Amino acid sequence: DQQVKQNSPSLSVQEGRISILNCDYTNSMFDYFLWYKKYPAEGPTFLISISSIKDKNEDGRFTVFLNKSAKHLSLHIVPSQPGDSAVYFCAASVTGNQFYFGTGTSLTVIP
Amino acid sequence: DVKVTQSSRYLVKRTGEKVFLECVQDMDHENMFWYRQDPGLGLRLIYFSYDVKMKEKGDIPEGYSVSREKKERFSLILESASTNQTSMYLCASRLAGTGAYGYTFGSGTRLTVV
Repeated sequence: DQQVKQNSPSLSVQEGRISILNCDYTNSMFDYFLWYKKYPAEGPTFLISISSIKDKNEDGRFTVFLNKSAKHLSLHIVPSQPGDSAVYFCAASVTGNQFYFGTGTSLTVIP
Repeated sequence: DVKVTQSSRYLVKRTGEKVFLECVQDMDHENMFWYRQDPGLGLRLIYFSYDVKMKEKGDIPEGYSVSREKKERFSLILESASTNQTSMYLCASRLAGTGAYGYTFGSGTRLTVV
């Protein structure tokens, strides 16, 4: 059973606009959350993380929001750039244990 | 530059062959993982190892085995390859006790079983 879900398989956004990628999870014990970015024929690369003691973490154009009561996190990219076009995976874990990954959202940023 | 290296980027094997996928990391990480990535299914954990000689089944271990004889190397073995094992295989490693920082992934091996 999928513990981490990304319900949007794809998303298209105009360059310069905001991209919002969503992720839901079912296990209330998860206390660490990550976003990875993956280009074709490459391994995923770490993008940004957030722990359950926070509700927001920002790194440049990337911000992750966590809503623990809703078991929901989102990744905001502002402004979106064509180089951001990739597949984005969210992942969650109970600290020290394995990460569970979502199914991925393919983002296309249109120039 | 630290890295996780997967020995092959592309592999084509025949049904029934025994297949070895090799992964080496140079970061002295204790934990290593094998995932497969399939469209619409995301990354699914096959096997993982918390340290040398240790192995644990992930969510989809059937048809696979692993070997971790040295800390830096984690091998995935397909005992008798089948067409439904055609996939992108990703190896990852992590320093023990640092779940907060996630994994470092290799570039992946695209395996096609014909």
